[in-house]
Amino acid sequence: EPEVTQTPSHQVTQMGQEVILRCVPISNHLYFYWYRQILGQKVEFLVSFYNNEISEKSEIFDDQFSVERPDGSNFTLKIRSTKLEDSAMYFCASRDRGGQETQYFGPGTRLLVL
Amino acid sequence: QKEVEQDPGPLSVPEGAIVSLNCTYSNSAFQYFMWYRQYSRKGPELLMYTYSSGNKEDGRFTAQVDKSSKYISLFIRDSQPSDSATYLCAMGPNTGFQKLVFGTGTRLLVSP
Repeated sequence: EPEVTQTPSHQVTQMGQEVILRCVPISNHLYFYWYRQILGQKVEFLVSFYNNEISEKSEIFDDQFSVERPDGSNFTLKIRSTKLEDSAMYFCASRDRGGQETQYFGPGTRLLVL
Repeated sequence: QKEVEQDPGPLSVPEGAIVSLNCTYSNSAFQYFMWYRQYSRKGPELLMYTYSSGNKEDGRFTAQVDKSSKYISLFIRDSQPSDSATYLCAMGPNTGFQKLVFGTGTRLLVSP
């Protein structure tokens, strides 16, 4: 069964450093998302991406964040200058074209900022 | 008022019990309702998807949506120890690119 994959599974970085989290969405899906989950808290929407541009973003998704689909398979989230409060689990999700509105999530990348 | 409210639990039941998990919401624009299962430190796994009001059954799982009360439920019949996980409700509007809003999740423990 097709699934969303994410790399790395864990990332430890120093405050102020740049990190890139990578995702391979389900093939033929058209809508892509990033969510995050701070330990012990709920899953929060960060950004949605469609047709090679951001379609919606949350207040969390400030200028330090960016997303890109550099080729036909990868979808990346970049944090330019990490802060301690960026420590969280980051989930990528993808969705097929309209009709079935379900989003399928990847296993996540655990980011720890020291 | 929180957009989506869900009792965090934990909810402890013996094996074989019927489990009822619930969420309430405040945004009447929500049309799509999902239940995800999340094991510790893993990604959310889609369990059930319902559009608008009504019931949906899949094996031991039944999802119910009551839009008039802004209340959704997930029932698990014949619960198994392997059902022990956190259950997340999530919902989205019928417009835009369907940003999902999640509940906090209910932790379920099924004891043998």
